[in-house]
Amino acid sequence: DVKVTQSSRYLVKRTGEKVFLECVQDMDHENMFWYRQDPGLGLRLIYFSYDVKMKEKGDIPEGYSVSREKKERFSLILESASTNQTSMYLCASSPAGGNGEQYFGPGTRLTVT
Amino acid sequence: RKEVEQDPGPFNVPEGATVAFNCTYSNSASQSFFWYRQDCRKEPKLLMSVYSSGNEDGRFTAQLNRASQYISLLIRDSKLSDSATYLCVVNEGWGNQFYFGTGTSLTVIP
Repeated sequence: DVKVTQSSRYLVKRTGEKVFLECVQDMDHENMFWYRQDPGLGLRLIYFSYDVKMKEKGDIPEGYSVSREKKERFSLILESASTNQTSMYLCASSPAGGNGEQYFGPGTRLTVT
Repeated sequence: RKEVEQDPGPFNVPEGATVAFNCTYSNSASQSFFWYRQDCRKEPKLLMSVYSSGNEDGRFTAQLNRASQYISLLIRDSKLSDSATYLCVVNEGWGNQFYFGTGTSLTVIP
């Protein structure tokens, strides 16, 4: 059974803290993605990676960075968390080519106070 | 301008009804198309891919109209378990970037 896991389901952080969100997939997929989902705005792409050590900015990369040192792991970093980064964060993976299904992790609900 | 637009609903329909959702996309060069389902507080999961010839999976039928740049999903004989948010997703075929609509909320009422 394919699986994408995320390190936390719920996270509460303070403004200014550095936050790490981890995502691991066991499907040997080349592509991995980080989205945030907000009511009325849908899923918005933050960053994606199509290979180890490769990354591409999505639609809303400001305030975020990513790291992909191993194929199965894609990390999202909030360098200095702010209240407007309170959101649901979803990680996904897909095989190379862009025509395949995306598999999502269960999500991390981050609250920044 | 959004890449993908959907009517957010909500659609409230009785059990057994037929309901249709539409979605429009802005990039005529888009290559692949999908409908995802997202239950409350859960992650999105693929419902079905959408092919140019149209495709059917049980009570669900998906259609693609490239000339008008829209995708549709038809659900026949609605069940209570169909209650969810349905997301339209488009891939432009390069950069492996997927574009999501904001979703259409469906509630099937007993």
